[in-house]
Parts: sequence; structure tokens; C-alpha cells
Amino acid sequence: AQSVTQLDSQVPVFEEAPVELRCNYSSSVSVYLFWYVQYPNQGLQLLLKYLSGSTLVKGINGFEAEFNKSQTSFHLRKPSVHISDTAEYFCAVRDSGGYQKVTFGIGTKLQVIP
Amino acid sequence: KAGVTQTPRYLIKTRGQQVTLSCSPISGHRSVSWYQQTPGQGLQFLFEYFSETQRNKGNFPGRFSGRQFSNSRSEMNVSTLELGDSALYLCASSLEPPNTGELFFGEGSRLTVL
Repeated sequence: AQSVTQLDSQVPVFEEAPVELRCNYSSSVSVYLFWYVQYPNQGLQLLLKYLSGSTLVKGINGFEAEFNKSQTSFHLRKPSVHISDTAEYFCAVRDSGGYQKVTFGIGTKLQVIP
Repeated sequence: KAGVTQTPRYLIKTRGQQVTLSCSPISGHRSVSWYQQTPGQGLQFLFEYFSETQRNKGNFPGRFSGRQFSNSRSEMNVSTLELGDSALYLCASSLEPPNTGELFFGEGSRLTVL
């Protein structure tokens, strides 16, 4: 069975500083990986996804993530955060074969400090 | 293109009552998934429907049920409500094929059980 671990429940960071949100997954097969963002009182929206190919994936709002198969990680990074990046971020995984459900981590709250 | 629509957005019920939540997916999307979101638990998978058939089911008691109609709209029902059922219930639709697992979320239905 697949699972996702987000190692930090909250990450405070000063505006214009870099940030990394960590995500590790476990699965016995090849996977698709996702990062979603949730702003207050809204649903989730996709930031970026890894399906295959290049392990460095670029997404919206200047975010990027790197798929590391040997370390089973998919950490999210941004070189310079803005106040508007304050939100909750969810890492998600899905086995690539068949009709498998998408499993989410518990989320990381990013708080950008002015 | 209209997004995923969930109704109602907010509702308050008392213990023992039942509730029905509705989800209209993006036009052309035939897969609908439901998640329960609570603080500290992240998103917990409830079930997924495709072409009116339940394809996956999470580890929730039988009080939680769902269905999908021929127009891909979906409903979920919770009977005999408990205080612990208070949560944000999120619906997500996806386009198949391809079955990459990318989900498009509604804004959710926030249920409060008193």
C-alpha cells in the first residue's frame, strides 16, 4: 500500500527567503507524485506533478520539486517566497498502474513572515 | 469551463441525523473522488466512482456511502452522524483517460455536527 509522509507540520519562513517542504513516500511500484496547495476556505489546486521523465519538475507560482527515486522523496522548493504563498501544501502519491486511489500527506502549513 | 461544484458549502446537523452532500464534476470528467479533511489528519480517502461504479473505497464505516449518476454527478451520504464526522468534505473530479490521478477539487462542504 502506498503512503506519504510530510515531515514538517508547520514551516515559518521570512518573505523573500528560500523554502523547502519535505515529502517522502512509500510504494512497491512506480508512482505518480503531486503537490497541491490549499488557500484558506478553498479547495486544493495542483501546483505540479511528476509522471515520468525529468526528475526536476517546475510548477506554478515559481515552485519546483525534485523526484528522488533512491530516497523515495519529492521535496518542494521555492527560491524566494512571497506573502501570498502562505497556505497549506499537500504532497500526494498514486501508483502508476491500474485504477489506484490518490493518497495525501497530512499537509504542511507554510507561514510567510513579513 | 466551470469547475467542480459542491453543495451545500456549509451545514450544521445534530448527532443522529443524516446528511447528503452533492458534487458536480467538471464537464467531461467521469471520475469523482471524495475526501474527508480534518485538522491533523489531512485528507482521508472515502471513495471513488467512475461511470456509476464504485472503483475504490477507503477505511470508513458503513455509515458513509456514495453514488454516482449517469451524468457523472455524485452524492455522498452520512447516516447517524457523530461529533467526529465534523469535517470539510472535498470532492474531486478527474479526466480519464489518461488516468494519471491529477485531481480537480471543489471548495468543499463544511459539516458541523453538534
